[in-house]
Amino acid sequence: DAKTTQPNSMESNEEEPVHLPCNHSTISGTDYIHWYRQLPSQGPEYVIHGLTSNVNNRMASLAIAEDRKSSTLILHRATLRDAAVYYCILGGNNAGNMLTFGGGTRLMVKP
Amino acid sequence: DGGITQSPKYLFRKEGQNVTLSCEQNLNHDAMYWYRQDPGQGLRLIYYSQIVNDFQKGDIAEGYSVSREKKESFPLTVTSAQKNPTAFYLCASSQAPVNIQYFGAGTRLSVL
Repeated sequence: DAKTTQPNSMESNEEEPVHLPCNHSTISGTDYIHWYRQLPSQGPEYVIHGLTSNVNNRMASLAIAEDRKSSTLILHRATLRDAAVYYCILGGNNAGNMLTFGGGTRLMVKP
Repeated sequence: DGGITQSPKYLFRKEGQNVTLSCEQNLNHDAMYWYRQDPGQGLRLIYYSQIVNDFQKGDIAEGYSVSREKKESFPLTVTSAQKNPTAFYLCASSQAPVNIQYFGAGTRLSVL
């Protein structure tokens, strides 16, 4: 299974942009890059996904390196509610294709 | 509202008892999943089902059992063979082609 590597934790100031990195050097050509986040005592929440091109939605942006071996989740203006564990996950395009959740990055946001 | 409903929110198990955690979805998704999360850890896959009447073991299936008799429902039974069941249990569903997983609010299981 293709694996991802993320920093254990990161800190940000409120209202500043946050760049959360993810390395996935063994990504295959059909793997999507997914990002989820998990707030304390809640289930994970989908944030964004992409395949090759950069993606934007109302929650975040996803920047994917040209060789697809790394990606960065960008929160444009961090708020206290963005404090969570962020998971970067690789997955294929079949319903049963597993998404393997690793340890993720714990984002702390300072007021 | 469309989504995943897990019940109960909290559950207590006595020694030697089997308990069943409920997971229902109204998203019309083909695939459903059960994960276990221990404090401060990531999610580990217990079982998954790609289609009705079919399911496969995940990484930590020992001591657990599932059924998938209806598309909407994927109950998980924690059997007495699971010696350390205290954890946060999460159910999810997804649909091809992108396989975005949508999660329930979880069930927190403790041992009395």
